[in-house]
Amino acid sequence: DSGVTQTPKHLITATGQRVTLRCSPRSGDLSVYWYQQSLDQGLQFLIQYYNGEERAKGNILERFSAQQFPDLHSELNLSSLELGDSALYFCASSVGTVYNEQFFGPGTRLTVL
Amino acid sequence: AQKVTQAQTEISVVEKEDVTLDCVYETRDTTYYLFWYKQPPSGELVFLIRRNSFDEQNEISGRYSWNFQKSTSSFNFTITASQVVDSAVYFCALSERSYNTDKLIFGTGTRLQVFP
Repeated sequence: DSGVTQTPKHLITATGQRVTLRCSPRSGDLSVYWYQQSLDQGLQFLIQYYNGEERAKGNILERFSAQQFPDLHSELNLSSLELGDSALYFCASSVGTVYNEQFFGPGTRLTVL
Repeated sequence: AQKVTQAQTEISVVEKEDVTLDCVYETRDTTYYLFWYKQPPSGELVFLIRRNSFDEQNEISGRYSWNFQKSTSSFNFTITASQVVDSAVYFCALSERSYNTDKLIFGTGTRLQVFP
């Protein structure tokens, strides 16, 4: 158990819908990273928050947004969902920067029908 | 551009065989970190090791060992006396950090199957 929690574990929804994925980092970790894992794209970095502020952005679509709250939990919002958004979404946390090891949550498997 | 190459897509071995997973990276950074993660069939990503660019000492942890060679930009992972529980996808990752980015770049992974 990495200490990072993600909910829900599975999500099935329809095209055009909006969903919210939630992540709670390990106790003491200030950084939260979001990744998307799909068969064709592999593991792709989406966005990082550090102590409530957006720190870095990767290949995140405009339809996607995220935030980190004062209690350090984070949410990833995916809207206007398309079939191609079906993937495993991971959240990871670390004490600081990318130089520190990241501990991953169990992931949320999103299926868009 | 920063890049991680794991040329071996899939490796199959029989239990007790030794196996080496290759990782080659490209980076412009002088300071960087390399990581290995394991993704078992259950799906979670498990951290295995972190190595910084200034430390080329090999690391051993039980049956696992890592060989970092800056001269060849490689960070290879060896499992000695493999076991069925080692069956998983293994990812090598490289840090990329600048004023506007702070992320891991992952390789495409190597699927290891260990047969009894």
